[in-house]
Amino acid sequence: GNSVTQMEGPVTLSEEAFLTINCTYTATGYPSLFWYVQYPGEGLQLLLKATKADDKGSNKGFEATYRKETTSFHLEKGSVQVSDSAVYFCALSGYPSRDDKIIFGKGTRLHILP
Amino acid sequence: EPEVTQTPSHQVTQMGQEVILRCVPISNHLYFYWYRQILGQKVEFLVSFYNNEISEKSEIFDDQFSVERPDGSNFTLKIRSTKLEDSAMYFCASRGTAGQPQHFGDGTRLSIL
Repeated sequence: GNSVTQMEGPVTLSEEAFLTINCTYTATGYPSLFWYVQYPGEGLQLLLKATKADDKGSNKGFEATYRKETTSFHLEKGSVQVSDSAVYFCALSGYPSRDDKIIFGKGTRLHILP
Repeated sequence: EPEVTQTPSHQVTQMGQEVILRCVPISNHLYFYWYRQILGQKVEFLVSFYNNEISEKSEIFDDQFSVERPDGSNFTLKIRSTKLEDSAMYFCASRGTAGQPQHFGDGTRLSIL
């Protein structure tokens, strides 16, 4: 079945460092790919998405490119801030088809040090 | 921006008791979902609901679970006889028509004693 694998955390970086969180997926058909973020004590927020191969999703300085040839959707940010500390989930779904349940990776906890 | 709201934020229940988790989806949304996240584990799909019926459910969603949209605004998840392993964060989500992603609530933390 469909699945998502993302790098284990926690990841600890200094402020202004470059961030990469790796994510690969296994899926039939043409899934949509997402990154969700969970700040401490809060729910899941959609950070960015891409719905077809070679699409680049971006938001708040984060970006990820849908790579079908490598089945990857790595999250990157050029200069992280303390406020980026959170848990990041890579996810996929069959959306916009009827099979639109979201399948999540295990999450990567990110700590940014001032 | 419209939000999905969930109540209560934390529910403590004795094992074997029934519990109802409540969600108010975004008002013009048509598709509704429940997910759960056991502490330290990944978020897992439970059930999807559209047009007053279940569209899909996971293996987790057994006979102890049910969902209902009792009126035009609420979407509930009921667990009939709770078990210790039901302790988790439960997230509700909703989306509009095709082309719209799911929006999540802040979750209800369910603790079974």
